Amino acid sequence: DQQVKQNSPSLSVQEGRISILNCDYTNSMFDYFLWYKKYPAEGPTFLISISSIKDKNEDGRFTVFLNKSAKHLSLHIVPSQPGDSAVYFCAAREGAQKLVFGQGTRLTINP
Amino acid sequence: DTAVSQTPKYLVTQMGNDKSIKCEQNLGHDTMYWYKQDSKKFLKIMFSYNNKELIINETVPNRFSPKSPDKAHLNLHINSLELGDSAVYFCASSEAGDLFYEQYFGPGTRLTVT
Repeated sequence: DQQVKQNSPSLSVQEGRISILNCDYTNSMFDYFLWYKKYPAEGPTFLISISSIKDKNEDGRFTVFLNKSAKHLSLHIVPSQPGDSAVYFCAAREGAQKLVFGQGTRLTINP
Repeated sequence: DTAVSQTPKYLVTQMGNDKSIKCEQNLGHDTMYWYKQDSKKFLKIMFSYNNKELIINETVPNRFSPKSPDKAHLNLHINSLELGDSAVYFCASSEAGDLFYEQYFGPGTRLTVT
């Protein structure tokens, strides 16, 4: 039973446009939500996080939105750049630094 | 200057063998983790150690045994390897405590059991 789900395995966006990656979760006890970015043959790297008490966090081109009532979060990247092409993992913290990950969405930015 | 390193990067072995994957972090973190990325691409936590003490032990066959000789190292030993153990294994580390701390991941070890 997957507690964190990313239902879109892939997403293709034109350079300069907005990329929106979505994530749904089932456990209302999660207190932090994170996005990680992963390039091939590398480990995931932390991108941005949001506490469960907030509904938005912004860092440069990256913004994460949290809708607790819908148990949904999204990552917005604007403007999208070719270097953003990677697999993006959504994750949620379940206490004591335990992270539960989704299965990832492969983002491709087309020039 | 690598923060979290794993060796080997690739490991091909036969069923029934015993193998180890090594992990080292030079970030001074107290907590280290092992994750498994299965064929469906989910990253699932297996173990976490805080200052050489086992903190998280998910439902993992006891053929998997983590060993932490010091807080900078967390090795994963796997006995009697099975086909289903084929996956990418990631080591990670973070600071310890109740506050949120990001986890830093190693590059992964792709294990193939034939």
